[in-house]
Amino acid sequence: GENVEQHPSTLSVQEGDSAVIKCTYSDSASNYFPWYKQELGKRPQLIIDIRSNVGEKKDQRIAVTLNKTAKHFSLHITETQPEDSAVYFCAASGGGATNKLIFGTGTLLAVQP
Amino acid sequence: KAGVTQTPRYLIKTRGQQVTLSCSPISGHRSVSWYQQTPGQGLQFLFEYFSETQRNKGNFPGRFSGRQFSNSRSEMNVSTLELGDSALYLCASSFQQGSAEAFFGQGTRLTVV
Repeated sequence: GENVEQHPSTLSVQEGDSAVIKCTYSDSASNYFPWYKQELGKRPQLIIDIRSNVGEKKDQRIAVTLNKTAKHFSLHITETQPEDSAVYFCAASGGGATNKLIFGTGTLLAVQP
Repeated sequence: KAGVTQTPRYLIKTRGQQVTLSCSPISGHRSVSWYQQTPGQGLQFLFEYFSETQRNKGNFPGRFSGRQFSNSRSEMNVSTLELGDSALYLCASSFQQGSAEAFFGQGTRLTVV
């Protein structure tokens, strides 16, 4: 069935370092891959997304890469700041006329000052 | 533009009762999806509505149901509540159908005692 694996489950970095979170999806029909940031007690917030016709997308300190052949996509955060500390979720959309998202299990990112 | 609004924010119910949760999407958005978030299972897709029609359903028992009104507002209902239904229920709003950006509401925290 549809599945998204996400690693690592926890990640601790020093302020200013880079952080990388990796996801693998199973459904080859998936064509949309968003990333969400969820701070404690708050809603998941869409931070960046990528579609299957693009290999990489950047937005300031955040970038996402997609390898369709390997069914891998990754989130890269550079120059991390304490306010980047949160749980990050990757997701994959099943393609076609649906907005259904299959989520990874989340990565707790802790940025140490 | 107002964001996604979910009511109520918190609910405490007793086993066996039923509950109705409400979601008002972003103005102009016609697609609403519902997710259940728990520490153990993460974010799981419940169902998706577009133009008052259920377009997709997740792997949840029939006790979970929903509907969408002509103004795109959506409700979900859970009957015969079980302790395991305690969770954060999140609604996501999208402009269109098919791999569209999804924006989440703050959720309804349901506790079943």
